Amino acid sequence: NAGVTQTPKFRILKIGQSMTLQCTQDMNHNYMYWYRQDPGMGLKLIYYSVGAGITDKGEVPNGYNVSRSTTEDFPLRLELAAPSQTSVYFCASRSQQGADQPQHFGDGTRLSIL
Amino acid sequence: AQSVTQPDIHITVSEGASLELRCNYSYGATPYLFWYVQSPGQGLQLLLKYFSGDTLVQGIKGFEAEFKRSQSSFNLRKPSVHWSDAAEYFCAVGALGGFQKLVFGTGTRLLVSP
Repeated sequence: NAGVTQTPKFRILKIGQSMTLQCTQDMNHNYMYWYRQDPGMGLKLIYYSVGAGITDKGEVPNGYNVSRSTTEDFPLRLELAAPSQTSVYFCASRSQQGADQPQHFGDGTRLSIL
Repeated sequence: AQSVTQPDIHITVSEGASLELRCNYSYGATPYLFWYVQSPGQGLQLLLKYFSGDTLVQGIKGFEAEFKRSQSSFNLRKPSVHWSDAAEYFCAVGALGGFQKLVFGTGTRLLVSP
């Protein structure tokens, strides 16, 4: 049972570099989410998607972009990495089958911008 | 504004002792409440959820939580803590259905002493 898979698990970037954090789920969930987790701050929603081709901004979208070309994949792109983007990034997905379905999380990507 | 408060940043409990983690929320509509656990280097795992019915809900790993509307609380409890319960615990609140925007608390780190 793969669930939600995130790659890479760790990455160090230099300021100004770009990268894509990958997220894929094999549960055929329509809803997908990207969060960032900073120490002592809980999780903040960056972007979310309600289905292939549909994305929207969350609380903290600045500096990030997303796309959703398939149901399975929801990559998060950092175009110009900044030290403030050092964080742990979590992807989550949720089934559309029932209003009470919870979100399922991946193991995270730990990103450092130096 | 929607918010979740977890007043305890750290809690240390002796193995075998009981545990209660506090969560207070502010939410304008009927809340849908969750407790997630995060082990070091891992993603968030759902412990339990509540949106209606019996206000005492049972979860995995022997955890339970009680919803008290009058106190806007959703405290997590376990009668006897095991060393493997050492982790960070997050309370979250959101809407039932829709894309389910969750607001997370800042987390409580549980330490278990021998």
